[in-house]
Amino acid sequence: GQSLEQPSEVTAVEGAIVQINCTYQTSGFYGLSWYQQHDGGAPTFLSYNGLDGLEETGRFSSFLSRSDSYGYLLLQELQMKDSASYFCAVGKGSARQLTFGSGTQLTVLP
Amino acid sequence: GAVVSQHPSWVICKSGTSVKIECRSLDFQATTMFWYRQFPKQSLMLMATSNEGSKATYEQGVEKDKFLINHASLTLSTLTVTSAHPEDSSFYICSASLLAGARETQYFGPGTRLLVL
Repeated sequence: GQSLEQPSEVTAVEGAIVQINCTYQTSGFYGLSWYQQHDGGAPTFLSYNGLDGLEETGRFSSFLSRSDSYGYLLLQELQMKDSASYFCAVGKGSARQLTFGSGTQLTVLP
Repeated sequence: GAVVSQHPSWVICKSGTSVKIECRSLDFQATTMFWYRQFPKQSLMLMATSNEGSKATYEQGVEKDKFLINHASLTLSTLTVTSAHPEDSSFYICSASLLAGARETQYFGPGTRLLVL
């Protein structure tokens, strides 16, 4: 089966940098994805790592180490609008079904 | 690009009735769509994989006779909650897969909130 662990809550101030870690146990790994979800909204895709290393997309970066079954999402220059839940997810199966972590609630303080 | 819509966004129904939720990929074709359920403050749980032109694949513990899935075209999948009960009240979200080169990304619909009275 698949299981992912990530912290339940993280708090940071505007302008700061925050890192959300994700460790996973999975059979048949098809990459690690990150999604953002605001209260009441749908998840939106942030980043994907299929290979080891760092992927950068604007203020967001994501890292993957397959040998450690570990990844993280790095958010820089935090803004109030970044307050949301962040989910890591691993793909599995031929249809790349996603298994989501339990989510990390990020609160950005002024 | 890569927009997925869901209809309705909100539905309130009486216990025992059936509710149909539509998921459409608006600007791309999706041979595979996925249905998730999310309870408040919890993660998304995959319910089933919807394959165009074939039967859906359900995750363990999901009743296929209760949650009927039809994927009749490359842009439309429907989820019907049959004989809904209060415990079926949840946020139902669909996603559609888009393959670009070697990367496959899931794009999510805005979700449907179901409240069964």
